[in-house]
Amino acid sequence: GAVVSQHPSWVICKSGTSVKIECRSLDFQATTMFWYRQFPKQSLMLMATSNEGSKATYEQGVEKDKFLINHASLTLSTLTVTSAHPEDSSFYICSASGHVGGATYNEQFFGPGTRLTVL
Amino acid sequence: GQQVMQIPQYQHVQEGEDFTTYCNSSTTLSNIQWYKQRPGGHPVFLIQLVKSGEVKKQKRLTFQFGEAKKNSSLHITATQTTDVGTYFCAGSYNDYKLSFGAGTTVTVRA
Repeated sequence: GAVVSQHPSWVICKSGTSVKIECRSLDFQATTMFWYRQFPKQSLMLMATSNEGSKATYEQGVEKDKFLINHASLTLSTLTVTSAHPEDSSFYICSASGHVGGATYNEQFFGPGTRLTVL
Repeated sequence: GQQVMQIPQYQHVQEGEDFTTYCNSSTTLSNIQWYKQRPGGHPVFLIQLVKSGEVKKQKRLTFQFGEAKKNSSLHITATQTTDVGTYFCAGSYNDYKLSFGAGTTVTVRA
């Protein structure tokens, strides 16, 4: 159990376009979803936290108008990178936590990630 | 802001040897989690430590949480090729958010 999927797994887009990334919890209800960004050979940087039905909480330095997050249901959160530029190229990973039988409290289940390349 | 520091960044280990990765926070953590990320993969939860001085073992992996709840370590004995990957500690400060360490990338020489 506790599987998180992400779609797409990779995307290449032109500068100025917007890209939407979906994160789904497949077999549990995710009360909280997190969006991270990871540069090559670096750690995960938390971008924002979202709870179902409420506005996302963004970390300091993350532009909320640039990275739109929607958590419409207990199984789906989306991250939209608006007007993408080459510097937005990165690996975006979502994670989810919720009521999962046998899981440790606060344990986060990570999606496989989305590699975004902006030309 | 609150940060978790992790060392070393890279660890090259001879197969069969032991190694340790360390995490440190300047402020007290409520709990610390450890994750493993295989090359090309995503982080996978290993364990969570909550209590002061807690020690947990998973086969060849030993996790410790310091008495002051400001540091933690992961010790792997008799390293195998399957241990290759990046190990992250992630600390929590009285909320559900995780602050990830820089990670220790482990390579194994057969």
